[in-house]
Amino acid sequence: GNSVTQMEGPVTLSEEAFLTINCTYTATGYPSLFWYVQYPGEGLQLLLKATKADDKGSNKGFEATYRKETTSFHLEKGSVQVSDSAVYFCALSDNAGNMLTFGGGTRLMVKP
Amino acid sequence: NAGVTQTPKFRVLKTGQSMTLLCAQDMNHEYMYWYRQDPGMGLRLIHYSVGEGTTAKGEVPDGYNVSRLKKQNFLLGLESAAPSQTSVYFCASRRGGSNTGELFFGEGSRLTVL
Repeated sequence: GNSVTQMEGPVTLSEEAFLTINCTYTATGYPSLFWYVQYPGEGLQLLLKATKADDKGSNKGFEATYRKETTSFHLEKGSVQVSDSAVYFCALSDNAGNMLTFGGGTRLMVKP
Repeated sequence: NAGVTQTPKFRVLKTGQSMTLLCAQDMNHEYMYWYRQDPGMGLRLIHYSVGEGTTAKGEVPDGYNVSRLKKQNFLLGLESAAPSQTSVYFCASRRGGSNTGELFFGEGSRLTVL
């Protein structure tokens, strides 16, 4: 079956540091890939997505590139802010589009 | 816009009691989902529905039942609650028709089973 593996957290960074959160996946066919973010006390919300190989999703300074050869979708940001502190989830959607499979989540803490 | 609304937001049950979580969405979405979130385990799919009157099992369906009698509502039931069902439950919805659509989540329902 499909699966998503993320680096375990927490990840603690100072403001303006560079962020990478690794995500790799196992899936048949050509899934779509997503990053969702969960702020404290809230539900998840879509951060960015990529629907085919070599696509780059981007939003709010975050980027991730769909790498089929390495089955990866790593999340990056050049300069994090305190307001980026949250839990980040990598996810994939199966070919039929019925279900999203989530990784375990990575907590990011950004200190001033 | 209300989006996805879950009720109740908090509930404490004793082992063996039953309860129903209600999810309502006002976006006319075809697909609806129930996930549970546990520390270190991310989100796991319990049940989902691809349209009114349909339901399907997800990754962890045991101990739960669901119904989708109306397109805008998706109910999650626990017939006999167990401590292992202590969790935060999230409902989500999305448009049907492709695998690229965004999931919209509710704010979560925290359930504690004593």
